[in-house]
Amino acid sequence: DAGVTQSPTHLIKTRGQQVTLRCSPKSGHDTVSWYQQALGQGPQFIFQYYEEEERQRGNFPDRFSGHQFPNYSSELNVNALLLGDSALYLCASRLDRGTEAFFGQGTRLTVV
Amino acid sequence: GIQVEQSPPDLILQEGANSTLRCNFSDSVNNLQWFHQNPWGQLINLFYIPSGTKQNGRLSATTVATERYSLLYISSSQTTDSGVYFCAVGGSGTYKYIFGTGTRLKVLA
Repeated sequence: DAGVTQSPTHLIKTRGQQVTLRCSPKSGHDTVSWYQQALGQGPQFIFQYYEEEERQRGNFPDRFSGHQFPNYSSELNVNALLLGDSALYLCASRLDRGTEAFFGQGTRLTVV
Repeated sequence: GIQVEQSPPDLILQEGANSTLRCNFSDSVNNLQWFHQNPWGQLINLFYIPSGTKQNGRLSATTVATERYSLLYISSSQTTDSGVYFCAVGGSGTYKYIFGTGTRLKVLA
């Protein structure tokens, strides 16, 4: 049983560019959340997708957007990249609220 | 929103020692998980424990929801236990996890 998978694992982008990160949830899971983890800090919630809709959003600007596909996989898009967007981006999946969440290995984004 | 505090922030142990990591939270929670983050960034599930006590090998955890804290016990620590341990909580009416700042554990051979 494959766990949560994210791609790519590493990415280097230039300020002002746009980036798309991808996540495939654990088999049987229908809910996908995205988190940003800056160096030395705990992960911060970006948003959660369920039934292809954004169900809850954290304190992140509109430059951060997402999508969930009918097969429950998800994308995180970040526009107009800033140096401060450099972080580890983590995807988590679960079977709705009140169940154990599982995280992918993350995508390490560096903005130069 | 819920505040999550973890202690101690840093911990250095000799191999074979035991330790207790604490997670305090400021409001009632529906979900609580403990994770170990390895040096490559992967968050590894340790326990899903919104209440009660669980054990898995050398690790055990207890959550006392009414007193708003959770404890993670590591016995007979090994060098492979090194890394950052996070507590994450989710409150009622919310779908997100709020993470503590973590406990950085280093186990020396």
